[in-house]
Amino acid sequence: DAGITQSPRYKITETGRQVTLMCHQTWSHSYMFWYRQDLGHGLRLIYYSAAADITDKGEVPDGYVVSRSKTENFPLTLESATRSQTSVYFCASSESGAGSTFGPGTRLTVL
Amino acid sequence: DQQVKQNSPSLSVQEGRISILNCDYTNSMFDYFLWYKKYPAEGPTFLISISSIKDKNEDGRFTVFLNKSAKHLSLHIVPSQPGDSAVYFCAASGNNAGNMLTFGGGTRLMVKP
Repeated sequence: DAGITQSPRYKITETGRQVTLMCHQTWSHSYMFWYRQDLGHGLRLIYYSAAADITDKGEVPDGYVVSRSKTENFPLTLESATRSQTSVYFCASSESGAGSTFGPGTRLTVL
Repeated sequence: DQQVKQNSPSLSVQEGRISILNCDYTNSMFDYFLWYKKYPAEGPTFLISISSIKDKNEDGRFTVFLNKSAKHLSLHIVPSQPGDSAVYFCAASGNNAGNMLTFGGGTRLMVKP
């Protein structure tokens, strides 16, 4: 499917577990982003990537790890999940000069 | 410290009337502003944008106004339709990586038939 996809769409995990959220885009956009959406905070940037093998921290990076070995994939890993990481996570991609296109989101619950 | 603020968490409007959603920002380096619309269980979708060199941009029923001196922008929807009921996010970007966006907290618009 063309566009930007995220998997899983829903995930329940336990405190301390490692979990990886996947993001895949088919446009070969250079830039990819991970945001989290929380009530009252809008969307906050976790990490972003300007190209394969280039990543940088956003506003709220603590507790998260990213990698980008291929242009089309940008997985987000919670190394040891905490309840405060319960949120809806959105992946996005863009080319310079254009607004970001968002994926459908992953709703993560940490028990 | 939130650099982009949407001070109204919700707005209710009658169908056919105008909806005005407001957004304020503090960072003078922002030079591009966007509005996104979000339905439940979906990702945000791009609605309309404006560059800092303009003060108005119109696309059909949607118009965005930018007042740089006041660091304020607004989205006007005329006429409002029930299908416009959604959460609207204001976002801003500066001369940075791939238009990395800073978002406001969102305003939930409810258009009543």
